[in-house]
Amino acid sequence: EAGVAQSPRYKIIEKRQSVAFWCNPISGHATLYWYQQILGQGPKLLIQFQNNGVVDDSQLPKDRFSAERLKGVDSTLKIQPAKLEDSAVYLCASSSYRGAYNEQFFGPGTRLTVL
Amino acid sequence: DAKTTQPNSMESNEEEPVHLPCNHSTISGTDYIHWYRQLPSQGPEYVIHGLTSNVNNRMASLAIAEDRKSSTLILHRATLRDAAVYYCIAHGGATNKLIFGTGTLLAVQP
Repeated sequence: EAGVAQSPRYKIIEKRQSVAFWCNPISGHATLYWYQQILGQGPKLLIQFQNNGVVDDSQLPKDRFSAERLKGVDSTLKIQPAKLEDSAVYLCASSSYRGAYNEQFFGPGTRLTVL
Repeated sequence: DAKTTQPNSMESNEEEPVHLPCNHSTISGTDYIHWYRQLPSQGPEYVIHGLTSNVNNRMASLAIAEDRKSSTLILHRATLRDAAVYYCIAHGGATNKLIFGTGTLLAVQP
């Protein structure tokens, strides 16, 4: 079974530029998550999708971050414009259904450096 | 979701058992206890989860205190590949939202 795919793996941009990350979840997984992990901290949930609908985006800085999952499969997370404090690893995860039992499968992440 | 408290770091020797503690004194009756680990330069991976009873799988065992205010992840024989940050998460509800703390950095010495 193929895992969660993310691209690019690394990205370096200057502040005020825009950037986009792509995630392809495990086939058949209805729930998709985007996390931000700042160095030395645990991952923080930014947004959770159930199919193509948003379940939770309470931690997403909506003035600069946006995410979509148009066909309920792959997803894109965008930052525009980027700030220095956005330097982090952006992790995508997926799970098979909403509930307390299901395991989340994480991708390798995209490491973003904002100069 | 309940707040969890873990030691910042622990050390173990290879092929010895490791007991990673976690306190979750505000856990509710419906909160599950999940453990994930994150190897260097990788995304987190699921280790084990439980509600009330002790649980075993191929990776580890989870011992849950009778009052559920604490739990222990047990790696029966640590290997160098077990060196990682281990996160204990207590959550429930329908959203499957994981709230990660800073976890325990486990170092395994050969």
